[in-house]
Amino acid sequence: DTEVTQTPKHLVMGMTNKKSLKCEQHMGHRAMYWYKQKAKKPPELMFVYSYEKLSINESVPSRFSPECPNSSLLNLHLHALQPEDSALYLCANPRGGLTPYEQYFGPGTRLTVT
Amino acid sequence: QQQVKQSPQSLIVQKGGISIINCAYENTAFDYFPWYQQFPGKGPALLIAIRPDVSEKKEGRFTISFNKSAKQFSLHIMDSQPGDSATYFCAASHLFSGGYQKVTFGTGTKLQVIP
Repeated sequence: DTEVTQTPKHLVMGMTNKKSLKCEQHMGHRAMYWYKQKAKKPPELMFVYSYEKLSINESVPSRFSPECPNSSLLNLHLHALQPEDSALYLCANPRGGLTPYEQYFGPGTRLTVT
Repeated sequence: QQQVKQSPQSLIVQKGGISIINCAYENTAFDYFPWYQQFPGKGPALLIAIRPDVSEKKEGRFTISFNKSAKQFSLHIMDSQPGDSATYFCAASHLFSGGYQKVTFGTGTKLQVIP
């Protein structure tokens, strides 16, 4: 069972397209994270939201635009991506309560930019 | 800047054997050390984690050993099974006052358990 869901599972887009990735969480914690993972590499932090406010932006190019409409939803808007942006995009959340450290990942969206 | 070093890059272990993965960190501000297991095509799954004031934590066949003075920690998988074949990432995190954390991952170890 996963309490972090991501849609779509797979996405193929051209370099001129605009698309969005969606993450929904029911973990009860107010921090939400976007990671990018290239093949055979560890996840790389992109953005962190805390209480619906952007707290960390790891110098991500502006063609990636995050949005946090509420405490359960996290979006990543994509525009004018490059082929090297093809990767697994992961959303993560801690479980609410006394374990803010325990970060749980969603299944990810596999993005291919053509 | 690589702040968490992980070794080995790959590991082959016979079924029933012990798998050992080692990690070292530099930043003493890290205050939590999780291990993640990732199967192909899936997101990383939290496996086990330890705080720096504890020297060892065991959960089933998985044990973390932590050496704060040496800034090193390791994962031991006892009685390794073919189903343990996956990529393992060590990590170190720092909790910010706003209630969010920044996690730094090691480079990963691809474990293969052969029957």
